[in-house]
Formats: sequence, C-alpha cells, structure tokens
Amino acid sequence: QKEVEQDPGPLSVPEGAIVSLNCTYSNSAFQYFMWYRQYSRKGPELLMYTYSSGNKEDGRFTAQVDKSSKYISLFIRDSQPSDSATYLCAMSALTGGYQKVTFGTGTKLQVIP
Amino acid sequence: NAGVMQNPRHLVRRRGQEARLRCSPVKGHSHVYWYRQLPEEGLKFMVYLQKENIIDESGMPKERFSAEFPKEGPSILRIQQVVRGDSAAYFCASSPRQDEQYFGPGTRLTVT
Repeated sequence: QKEVEQDPGPLSVPEGAIVSLNCTYSNSAFQYFMWYRQYSRKGPELLMYTYSSGNKEDGRFTAQVDKSSKYISLFIRDSQPSDSATYLCAMSALTGGYQKVTFGTGTKLQVIP
Repeated sequence: NAGVMQNPRHLVRRRGQEARLRCSPVKGHSHVYWYRQLPEEGLKFMVYLQKENIIDESGMPKERFSAEFPKEGPSILRIQQVVRGDSAAYFCASSPRQDEQYFGPGTRLTVT
C-alpha cells in the first residue's frame, strides 16, 4: 500500500463547477499538508499549505484536512479553464531527522469552457 | 524575487555521456531537493541536500548518480554514463525550512 493515495483521474468538469480533489494517507505521523498545481511541462507550484485539521481558504481554493480519517481535500470554486492542470497532494513527516515530503501521483483536471 | 532556477531546460545526451543538471535555490533557502518525473507519473524523490551536506540520498541510484550543494554556487545533479532509462524531467526544489518546497521549471533530459 502506498503511503499517499490519489486518484489519477482524469477529471473533466464544466466551467463554473465546484471541483473536489482528494488524497488519503496511511502514515499517522504526517504533520504538514500541501497542494501543488502542475501545468503541462512546468514545475509544480505550491498552492496551499496547512498544518492542522480543518479548513484553510485562499480565494477560490479551500484545503481541508481530516487527520482522524487520514483524508485531505482541495476544493476549487467557480472553476476556470485556466485551472486545467495536474494537482498533487503532498504531506510531510519527521523521518530520519528531517521533515520528509511524500507526494501523491497527481490528479489531472480538465475544465471545459 | 527570483525563484528556483534550473539549467539547462533541455539537455540531449548520447548513451554513455555525462549529464550535469544545475539548480540555484531561492535566495536564503538552504534546503535543496531533487526529484525525477516520468510522463504521466508522480514525483520520485532522489536526494535532499543542505549546504555542503547530503542529508538523504535514499532515492538516488547508488551507481552513476551523484549530487552536491557546495558552499558557493548551485546544486549539481550529475549522471554519468547515461542510459535511455535516464530520460525524464528532473526537478529541483528549495525550501526555507524542511516542508514547503518551491520548485524550479525542471530540466528535461533526453538520452539518444
């Protein structure tokens, strides 16, 4: 079993829809949770960074962490064609003396105009 | 503010040649990470370095691959005697701490 599981998609939604992207994890030692967006042939871009359980909002993006269920989500409101990208979840735990980050494999999102 | 810089952006090497990939972290970041990504796959961790030290190289093949982050200058990922299977995108990330990482644009290595 992988430490971090993420549905690869692809996920296709119409413009304006609410998008829900999810990851589950098995390591209860994960402390920090992040979401990255990666456009085709570009480097990943940090979107959201959270520490505790609960919600964090930034514009159209909301990151949600449920440590009891080992489940994190990213919601995108009023989705736009420019949101079409691969979204990677990431989480870190103290491993070998440092905060080691583990990435999900990414969910490909397509927002159709 | 300059982000993470990587060069070259594209690199073509013949089998058996050496590939050198460079990464300049965000100014003030002392943590550097290298990842490899194959098409339609996730990021595979290779190595984590701090200035002049390799902290974790558990994801890097023991043969042909090496990495350094000298006191002055960029971090270098070096692949000796490249093979076709080394063709991939290589991303460098830097961090002010050890968690949130900021990625460069990547170097796309093609081995012919």
